[in-house]
Amino acid sequence: GQQLNQSPQSMFIQEGEDVSMNCTSSSIFNTWLWYKQDPGEGPVLLIALYKAGELTSNGRLTAQFGITRKDSFLNISASIPSDVGIYFCAGFNSGNTPLVFGKGTRLSVIA
Amino acid sequence: NAGVMQNPRHLVRRRGQEARLRCSPMKGHSHVYWYRQLPEEGLKFMVYLQKENIIDESGMPKERFSAEFPKEGPSILRIQQVVRGDSAAYFCASSPTGTMSYTFGSGTRLTVV
Repeated sequence: GQQLNQSPQSMFIQEGEDVSMNCTSSSIFNTWLWYKQDPGEGPVLLIALYKAGELTSNGRLTAQFGITRKDSFLNISASIPSDVGIYFCAGFNSGNTPLVFGKGTRLSVIA
Repeated sequence: NAGVMQNPRHLVRRRGQEARLRCSPMKGHSHVYWYRQLPEEGLKFMVYLQKENIIDESGMPKERFSAEFPKEGPSILRIQQVVRGDSAAYFCASSPTGTMSYTFGSGTRLTVV
């Protein structure tokens, strides 16, 4: 089946630093999504990307849909303590196929 | 409009018992998806259902696991004769027809003792 590889697996950063994480796939996706999961909760959608090359921002978050349609990047600028959590990428192809998730990047922010 | 409601939030079962996990989708959402998350892992797809139909159950173990989404009432994920390896967080998501705009519930954390 399709697999998504996320890196890094975990990150420890200082408050105020910028963060970059990425996701690669062995196959093409038509849609890339980035989710955040807080402890004890379900994932919440942060950004959705629908077109190869697309760059989309949501506040301090910026994500890009790779040209090859096999990768995506998420950047967080000026991190704050509430950015702590697990960030998942997910790929989607068509209406009857489910979302495929990466294993997540665990972000810790040191104040 | 309440989000996706899952209950119970926490469930403890002894080995060999049955576990029933419930998911009420968002109002107007007719598609339900179940995912399992092991500690330190991502979410693994289990099953995709529409009202009264299983669309894709390719991620669900062939034995002991079943799912339904009846015409009335919540979707149910049922695990019979639970084993320790079934301990995980089980998440349900729903979406409107034909879109990938999933909304996730807060999950049910199953512990098998």
